[in-house]
Amino acid sequence: EPEVTQTPSHQVTQMGQEVILRCVPISNHLYFYWYRQILGQKVEFLVSFYNNEISEKSEIFDDQFSVERPDGSNFTLKIRSTKLEDSAMYFCASRRRGPVGGELFFGEGSRLTVL
Amino acid sequence: AQKITQTQPGMFVQEKEAVTLDCTYDTSDPSYGLFWYKQPSSGEMIFLIYQGSYDQQNATEGRYSLNFQKARKSANLVISASQLGDSAMYFCAMREDAGGTSYGKLTFGQGTILTVHP
Repeated sequence: EPEVTQTPSHQVTQMGQEVILRCVPISNHLYFYWYRQILGQKVEFLVSFYNNEISEKSEIFDDQFSVERPDGSNFTLKIRSTKLEDSAMYFCASRRRGPVGGELFFGEGSRLTVL
Repeated sequence: AQKITQTQPGMFVQEKEAVTLDCTYDTSDPSYGLFWYKQPSSGEMIFLIYQGSYDQQNATEGRYSLNFQKARKSANLVISASQLGDSAMYFCAMREDAGGTSYGKLTFGQGTILTVHP
């Protein structure tokens, strides 16, 4: 069964460093997302990406964050200068084109720890 | 106001019994979808069941069913014949169609931790 894959599974970084989280969505999907989950809390929307551009972003997704799909398969989330509060699990998700009901398929997450 | 509210931080159920996890939502959009995801301790998000706002019947998927009460704006998940492997965090989520302009963003509730006892 096709799945969303994410790398790395866990990354530890120093505050102020740049981090890139990578995702390979399901191949025939057209909508891509990043969500984050701070430990023990709810899953929060960061950004959606469609047709090679950001379609929607949350207040969390400030200038420190960026996304791109450089080669038609990978979908990356970059955090330019990490802060302690960026420590969280980051989930990539994708969805095929369809009605409002199409479910999101999530990757297994990348745990980011900022020291 | 919270768009998705899950009022039960934790629930306990005996193996083989049924359990209901509560979810209420808030939207003025006539077209929306409601989802339940399971998050085991390993962390991944597993899709369980979907209910569309225009669906006439409650959704069912195996042991999962969604008790959709539109007037009350509730979408409770019912798990029948609980198994030990059902122990996990369960999230309710909503997608609003926003007049066709939605790109599919899901808004999640706080989650309910379900523990199944043998």
